[in-house]
Amino acid sequence: GENVEQHPSTLSVQEGDSAVIKCTYSDSASNYFPWYKQELGKRPQLIIDIRSNVGEKKDQRIAVTLNKTAKHFSLHITETQPEDSAVYFCAASLRQAGTALIFGKGTTLSVSS
Amino acid sequence: ETGVTQTPRHLVMGMTNKKSLKCEQHLGHNAMYWYKQSAKKPLELMFVYSLEERVENNSVPSRFSPECPNSSHLFLHLHTLQPEDSALYLCASSHTDISRETQYFGPGTRLLVL
Repeated sequence: GENVEQHPSTLSVQEGDSAVIKCTYSDSASNYFPWYKQELGKRPQLIIDIRSNVGEKKDQRIAVTLNKTAKHFSLHITETQPEDSAVYFCAASLRQAGTALIFGKGTTLSVSS
Repeated sequence: ETGVTQTPRHLVMGMTNKKSLKCEQHLGHNAMYWYKQSAKKPLELMFVYSLEERVENNSVPSRFSPECPNSSHLFLHLHTLQPEDSALYLCASSHTDISRETQYFGPGTRLLVL
């Protein structure tokens, strides 16, 4: 089955710096890769996703890149702000009916002002 | 924020109790999921229902029993739990249409087993 590794487990940056979180997956058949943000005491919320027919996707300060050959994908946050502080989870799945997401262990991002 | 709701939000139960967690989605989705989130562990899939049929059971102990009476409701029945079952239980829902597969999570039920 699919296995997703996520690094680093914790990341501390200064406000305005960039943050990069990396994930690798094991099943070459996986073709959908979402990123979720979970603030303390709140539910995970989708912030960006990428499908395997695309190498990069950007949404304002957030971007995700995908390397299918190497089976890894990364989340890039530019111009970080204190409100970006949260736990970020990557996930991978097959795009089939009712297929579950396999999550990485999460990265705790702390942005200090 | 109100698309997927879960009740109760907090639950304390003894090992001999029987309780049920409820999830309801108002998004018109037809797939629903139970995940377990423990400290320092990734979100672990427990069960998947697609079009009200269970399609995945991820080796979950039989003390957890899911029920999906219709596409809007999902239950997790609990009995004779262990202290290690204490965790945040998250429900999620999505379309089965692969062009709209984003999963939306509920707020979770924080369970403490004494």
